[in-house]
Amino acid sequence: DQQVKQNSPSLSVQEGRISILNCDYTNSMFDYFLWYKKYPAEGPTFLISISSIKDKNEDGRFTVFLNKSAKHLSLHIVPSQPGDSAVYFCAAEFSGSARQLTFGSGTQLTVLP
Amino acid sequence: GAVVSQHPSWVICKSGTSVKIECRSLDFQATTMFWYRQFPKQSLMLMATSNEGSKATYEQGVEKDKFLINHASLTLSTLTVTSAHPEDSSFYICSAEGQETQYFGPGTRLLVL
Repeated sequence: DQQVKQNSPSLSVQEGRISILNCDYTNSMFDYFLWYKKYPAEGPTFLISISSIKDKNEDGRFTVFLNKSAKHLSLHIVPSQPGDSAVYFCAAEFSGSARQLTFGSGTQLTVLP
Repeated sequence: GAVVSQHPSWVICKSGTSVKIECRSLDFQATTMFWYRQFPKQSLMLMATSNEGSKATYEQGVEKDKFLINHASLTLSTLTVTSAHPEDSSFYICSAEGQETQYFGPGTRLLVL
């Protein structure tokens, strides 16, 4: 049972346009969400995060939106750049004793020049 | 989808003891596995890249003699925290490089008393 889902395995966007990556979760206990970026043959790198007490967090070109009622979060990248081409993972955790990170399956973003 | 397991999920040990964590790819072969460490509310920190049949590649600042990594087969990598101390208490997560993406294990919570 996937608690964190990224339903789009791939996304192509033109350079300069907005990239929107989506993530859905089922466990209402999750209270912290993260996005990771991963290049081939490298480990994921942290991108941006958001706490459940917020609905938006912005860092430069990256903005994460959280809709708790819909159990949905999204990552917006604007403007998109070719260097943004990578696999993006969303992850979720809850502040209980386990503190496990649950990851989505990833979305391959390709930014076309 | 591909599954990566970690064992144990929780471990509590006394200071000075060694702890071994296993990471297994259950339904695919992984020539490359990654070991991460995460502190609460922080991003994953890549500790080392584990390559089957060869020595692990450690990230800067990670003590090789402290965190022993063995990738003896295409489905198993182990991380041994030697002479653990309270500052080693953390959440350790592995991931395995699959054909199309990176698959993460569920993580191991280590508490050193």
